[in-house]
Amino acid sequence: EDQVTQSPEALRLQEGESSSLNCSYTVSGLRGLFWYRQDPGKGPEFLFTLYSAGEEKEKERLKATLTKKESFLHITAPKPEDSATYLCAVQAMENFNKFYFGSGTKLNVKP
Amino acid sequence: DTEVTQTPKHLVMGMTNKKSLKCEQHMGHRAMYWYKQKAKKPPELMFVYSYEKLSINESVPSRFSPECPNSSLLNLHLHALQPEDSALYLCASSQGRISGNTIYFGEGSWLTVV
Repeated sequence: EDQVTQSPEALRLQEGESSSLNCSYTVSGLRGLFWYRQDPGKGPEFLFTLYSAGEEKEKERLKATLTKKESFLHITAPKPEDSATYLCAVQAMENFNKFYFGSGTKLNVKP
Repeated sequence: DTEVTQTPKHLVMGMTNKKSLKCEQHMGHRAMYWYKQKAKKPPELMFVYSYEKLSINESVPSRFSPECPNSSLLNLHLHALQPEDSALYLCASSQGRISGNTIYFGEGSWLTVV
């Protein structure tokens, strides 16, 4: 069965304290892996798409990486405005319109 | 700013009411989605329209009825809902192609069933 697991469930960081969020997946064939940021009461905001193991994408303080079994979202020197829930989703080979979401990591960055 | 627009932002309805949620995108996308999200849970897929045809229905109760009048519009008709249907309803769209199929979400419609 296709599954996406994110860890940790919640993460508290001090401003400037770098860390990583994990997304591990088991799908019959990976077509793409997506990272989203979601603020309370709003829709998920697209961050990155990764397609193959070894691929990396960067945007400001965020960097996403992909291996054959998991993806990491690295946050370097975070700021309070980075506080949000980060969602990972995978797109399986079998149906390119179907996306499986993880439960998310709630990040809280304190000043 | 998201290019997927959802209306209304908030909706309160009784269990005997009939209402609709609306979604519009102008990115030329050919796939559109309805997701349901409960508090502190991930989005849960309900329906997918691909090239204006229903391609995925995740065994959603018939009190939810989707409609795709054209490639830019997506509706979700609601009838005889239950209090447990209260949630954030998210519309999304994508190019609908095999590769590069990123989905983009709207801000959501908050539904409260009383």
